Amino acid sequence: GAGVSQSPRYKVAKRGQDVALRCDPISGHVSLFWYQQALGQGPEFLTYFQNEAQLDKSGLPSDRFFAERPEGSVSTLKIQRTQQEDSAVYLCASSLARGEEQYFGPGTRLTVT
Amino acid sequence: GENVEQHPSTLSVQEGDSAVIKCTYSDSASNYFPWYKQELGKGPQLIIDIRSNVGEKKDQRIAVTLNKTAKHFSLHITETQPEDSAVYFCAASRNNNDMRFGAGTRLTVKP
Repeated sequence: GAGVSQSPRYKVAKRGQDVALRCDPISGHVSLFWYQQALGQGPEFLTYFQNEAQLDKSGLPSDRFFAERPEGSVSTLKIQRTQQEDSAVYLCASSLARGEEQYFGPGTRLTVT
Repeated sequence: GENVEQHPSTLSVQEGDSAVIKCTYSDSASNYFPWYKQELGKGPQLIIDIRSNVGEKKDQRIAVTLNKTAKHFSLHITETQPEDSAVYFCAASRNNNDMRFGAGTRLTVKP
């Protein structure tokens, strides 16, 4: 079946612009995670959803970052007033249930100029 | 919180040789240790994992060992092939939640 998909795959934003990154998890997967991966580094946890509930947002680096999953399926990560340090690959992962294997999408590469 | 360190950052081996990547973790409560392979332009893909109640696990050419006392775990790839070339990440977590990743190892297998 289809895996996790993310769009857009690449996004270039001018500093100060707002961006929205979309994640389509595997159908039926309850848990959804967002990670930030800087160049040459491992993914870093941002936030976690169980269905539509955001249970953990301890990894969000600032209040410019906001994530939602209103119907418990598609999720959007929004970054307001982007800064250069926001440049990274943003990965989404989903799992059937909490504690199960996480399946990653291909990521969105965000470049802030 | 959990801190995961991974070594080496780059590893180059000849096709057919073995490759070993090592990780240490800090949180003694961590009980789930997956390894991911990430190819260029793709997301990480789980290749093998181990839970804290097991010391070793093997899947064909890939094996993982865990030493809970020393808080370190290792990935072993035998009979390496060019298609094994990728970046490998270790991770540690409690029950596959709140996962913390190492910085990655770029493995190059030379034909």
